[in-house]
Order: sequence, then structure tokens, then C-alpha cells
Amino acid sequence: QKEVEQDPGPLSVPEGAIVSLNCTYSNSAFQYFMWYRQYSRKGPELLMYTYSSGNKEDGRFTAQVDKSSKYISLFIRDSQPSDSATYLCAIFNAGNMLTFGGGTRLMVKP
Amino acid sequence: DAGITQSPRHKVTETGTPVTLRCHQTENHRYMYWYRQDPGHGLRLIHYSYGVKDTDKGEVSDGYSVSRSKTEDFLLTLESATSSQTSVYFCAISEGVQGGNQPQHFGDGTRLSIL
Repeated sequence: QKEVEQDPGPLSVPEGAIVSLNCTYSNSAFQYFMWYRQYSRKGPELLMYTYSSGNKEDGRFTAQVDKSSKYISLFIRDSQPSDSATYLCAIFNAGNMLTFGGGTRLMVKP
Repeated sequence: DAGITQSPRHKVTETGTPVTLRCHQTENHRYMYWYRQDPGHGLRLIHYSYGVKDTDKGEVSDGYSVSRSKTEDFLLTLESATSSQTSVYFCAISEGVQGGNQPQHFGDGTRLSIL
């Protein structure tokens, strides 16, 4: 079992939809969680960084962490075609190194 | 954007040849990392550095070596390239005294093809 699991998609939604992207992880010791966005032929770009359980908002993006279920989510409100990208969750493991999910490809259609 | 430059951006080479990829940063961050990204595997850590001349292995270090002689530069070398090392290579940096739990910022990658 991989330490961090993510549905690869692709996930296709119409413009304006609310998008939900999810990751599960296996180690309850994980405490720090990140979401990255990666456009085609570019490097990952940090979107959200959170430590505690609960929600963290930044504009149209909300990161949610449920440590009891070992489940993290990224919600995108009012999705735009420019949100079309691959979204990677990343978690710091016990060795302070990042473990990445495989990424979910999102397509927002006009 | 984090000041990270990777070179070359694209490279095609033959099996058995040595290859060196360069990562240059202008942020004066202590930690630097090399990852490879492959379909079905996501991003995997190859090697990282926690200071000048201080490096350590990551998850997939076999066949790779690194060097860091200056804070701003981190080199990844494939001593004798194999087709299994065809991949997209990303450099990342992070700040912090111990580097722990600090977000990493990525360059735009090097696409390496080994024929």
C-alpha cells in the first residue's frame, strides 16, 4: 500500500462547478499537509499548506484535513478553465521528507 | 516565483553516457532536492542536500550521485545513463534551520530521454 493515495482522474467538470480533490494516507503520524498545482510541462506550485485538522481557506481554495480518517481534501469553488492542471497532495513523513500522491488531473471545460 | 533555474531543460542522450543536470537557486535556501517524476509513480526523491557538501540519499538514489560545492548550485549526475532513467527531473528548495516541515518550491524540470 502506498503511503499516500490519490485518484489519478481525469476529473472533468463544467466551468463554475465546485471541485473536490482527495487524498488518503496510511501513517497517522503525518501532521503537515500540502497541495500543489502542476501545469503541463511546468514544476509543481505550492497552493496550500496546513497542519491542523479542519479547514483552511485561501480565495477560491479550501484545504480540509481529517486526521481521524487520514483523509485530506482540496475544494475549488467557481472553477475556471485556468484551474485545469494536475493537483498533487504532499505530506511530510516522519523523516521530514515529502511523500507525494500520484496526482489528480483536473479539466475544467468552458 | 521561487528563483530556481534548471539546465538543460531538455536533453536526449545515449545509454552508457554520463549526464549532469544543474539546479541553480537565488534564494539562499539551505535545502535542495532532486526528484524524478514518472507516470504511475508520481514524484520520488533521489537525493537531497542540507548544506554545502552535505548530501543524503532519497528513495530512488541508485545510479545517481550529487554534489553541492556552493549554496546556490546542486548537481545531479547519472554516471552511466540507462533507459530506465528516462524521466522528468525536478529540483526543489526549502528554507529553515533543519528543513523540516518547510514547504518545498520547485523548478520547471529537465526532460531527459535516454535512447
